[in-house]
Amino acid sequence: EIVLTQSPGTLSLSPGERATLSCRASQSVSSSYLAWYQQKPGQAPRLLIYGASSRATGIPDRFSGSGSGTDFTLTISRLEPEDFAVYYCQQYGSSPEWTFGQGTKVEIK
Amino acid sequence: QITLKESGPTLVKPTQTLTLTCTFSGFSLSTSGVGVGWIRQPPGKALEWLALIYWDDDKRYSPSLKSRLTITKDTSKNQVVLTMTNMDPVDTATYYCAHQLKYVGAFDIWGQGTMVTVSS
Repeated sequence: EIVLTQSPGTLSLSPGERATLSCRASQSVSSSYLAWYQQKPGQAPRLLIYGASSRATGIPDRFSGSGSGTDFTLTISRLEPEDFAVYYCQQYGSSPEWTFGQGTKVEIK
Repeated sequence: QITLKESGPTLVKPTQTLTLTCTFSGFSLSTSGVGVGWIRQPPGKALEWLALIYWDDDKRYSPSLKSRLTITKDTSKNQVVLTMTNMDPVDTATYYCAHQLKYVGAFDIWGQGTMVTVSS
């Protein structure tokens, strides 16, 4: 079973700063099947990135994804007030077919 | 425009069976490559994938819950139904259904979710 470990658990930053979120897999993950989601309180998750680096429809270009193998990164180049939320990575392809990380909370410093 | 909406009981008793319905619009589950999945989230915790069904009736289940889950589709009604047997308080969570394209592997459109509490 592939386990996704996200770090840090909480990231305290100010608007305008750069956020770097990490997702590490216990086994190699196909880059084609690594995604990132944003979730705000009381809302459903929203797909940001799929295929490790492709932005979903309507996602601003300040969000970018990178990585391969077991190490993946979500970068928010300049935090906007609406970006403070919880972020999850997700892999597809190895049993269990869809696995989520435990999440990283990006909070206002 | 793709939309999905979950419906079902808000409260179930331990040992009972939960039946949730996902009613969707804006796509057809008879279109090649399309799938609908179920994901849950206990209060304050992370997301957990449960099950998924594809246009060709290929069904996938979380190994840890496989014995308790059944997923079916009714293409004519644009619905996907998830049943989970032998409910326990630890199954208390918000349950989401979501649209997926098989070649993408990610859930691109989500329903609003429905909160299910398991308590006697």
